[in-house]
Amino acid sequence: DAGVTQSPTHLIKTRGQQVTLRCSPKSGHDTVSWYQQALGQGPQFIFQYYEEEERQRGNFPDRFSGHQFPNYSSELNVNALLLGDSALYLCASSSMYGGRETQYFGPGTRLLVL
Amino acid sequence: AQTVTQSQPEMSVQEAETVTLSCTYDTSENNYYLFWYKQPPSRQMILVIRQEAYKQQNATENRFSVNFQKAAKSFSLKISDSQLGDTAMYFCAFMPEYGNKLVFGAGTILRVKS
Repeated sequence: DAGVTQSPTHLIKTRGQQVTLRCSPKSGHDTVSWYQQALGQGPQFIFQYYEEEERQRGNFPDRFSGHQFPNYSSELNVNALLLGDSALYLCASSSMYGGRETQYFGPGTRLLVL
Repeated sequence: AQTVTQSQPEMSVQEAETVTLSCTYDTSENNYYLFWYKQPPSRQMILVIRQEAYKQQNATENRFSVNFQKAAKSFSLKISDSQLGDTAMYFCAFMPEYGNKLVFGAGTILRVKS
């Protein structure tokens, strides 16, 4: 049973660039949530996707956008990167019907903005 | 808005001993879910234990158990027979019954010493 997978593992970008991170949910899950985890802090909710639509959004600017595909996988896009966007980006998946509240996390993508 | 507070930034325990990590939260919701997640140095966030607020009985998963005090809004994690592999950052998290996002505390670093 494949768990949540994310790619790439690490990424280095420069200020002003754009980045796309990818996530495949755990088998049987249809909902994907994205979190940003700054060094030494707890994860902060960015947004959640279900049925290819954004269901809820955290306190993040419009530079952060996402997409969910028919196979439930998801992308997180960040435009006009800032130094402060350097963080571990975590994807979590869940099933909307059956344990909706329990989210399982992927290994994350470490983004460094120079 | 819900908040989660973990007042112990770091803790250490001897192998085979018992340790308790503290967590308090603030919410006006009557029903919700509480979680403890473990994030080892390899960084994959792993679900340790889950508690539903409407259940009086404290959740238990092998060596891990919680002390859930709803009136006091307290949700502590007890780890019995600590093992070296328990060394990790532990996060307490909250989700309202009809919510979509996890709200995390700042985390507690636990070091198990041999």
